Amino acid sequence: AQTVTQSQPEMSVQEAETVTLSCTYDTSESDYYLFWYKQPPSRQMILVIRQEAYKQQNATENRFSVNFQKAAKSFSLKISDSQLGDAAMYFCAYRTSFLNSGGSNYKLTFGKGTLLTVNP
Amino acid sequence: SAVISQKPSRDICQRGTSLTIQCQVDSQVTMMFWYRQQPGQSLTLIATANQGSEATYESGFVIDKFPISRPNLTFSTLTVSNMSPEDSSIYLCSVIAPIQETQYFGPGTRLLVL
Repeated sequence: AQTVTQSQPEMSVQEAETVTLSCTYDTSESDYYLFWYKQPPSRQMILVIRQEAYKQQNATENRFSVNFQKAAKSFSLKISDSQLGDAAMYFCAYRTSFLNSGGSNYKLTFGKGTLLTVNP
Repeated sequence: SAVISQKPSRDICQRGTSLTIQCQVDSQVTMMFWYRQQPGQSLTLIATANQGSEATYESGFVIDKFPISRPNLTFSTLTVSNMSPEDSSIYLCSVIAPIQETQYFGPGTRLLVL
């Protein structure tokens, strides 16, 4: 079974600075998806960024980028120019690919989360 | 992306009663999911609900406790039956956006059982 580990329960960053959140995972599959979700105090789960394992290029979305190291099974999230609105719980998640599962398993496996505080 | 709404947004219930949570999506989706987030914890999948078939439950979750309906491609309900304080959680509905294969979440239903 796949597992996702976030080793940093809490992180803090100064506004306008850069912070990196760590995530490692364990899988025997070669094709899968990785996601970072953000959950602010409102409790709405918001997709931040996603990465397909077969793509070597790291995904980016504005101030958010990932460092995907497939061999090391590492998937870290970098937030640049941090803003107060970035304060939230961040979850890393893994999902097998459609082809691997035969369309029968879209289960997301989540890490325990990292609580990010942004200091003004 | 898909726009997902849930009702109720929150509720306080007495032990032994049942609560039905509704999930509505603004577009037709094949697969819908129900997750539970216990206080201070991560999300755990309860079941996958596909239209026209029985829901598929994850280990540790049973149909008698969490019956699910999926009458059409835009709607689903999850019932939390015979509630106890241990059922106090946030329950989230989720769907897959077909083209992007990305999973989106509803705003969640915060349940407190006394």
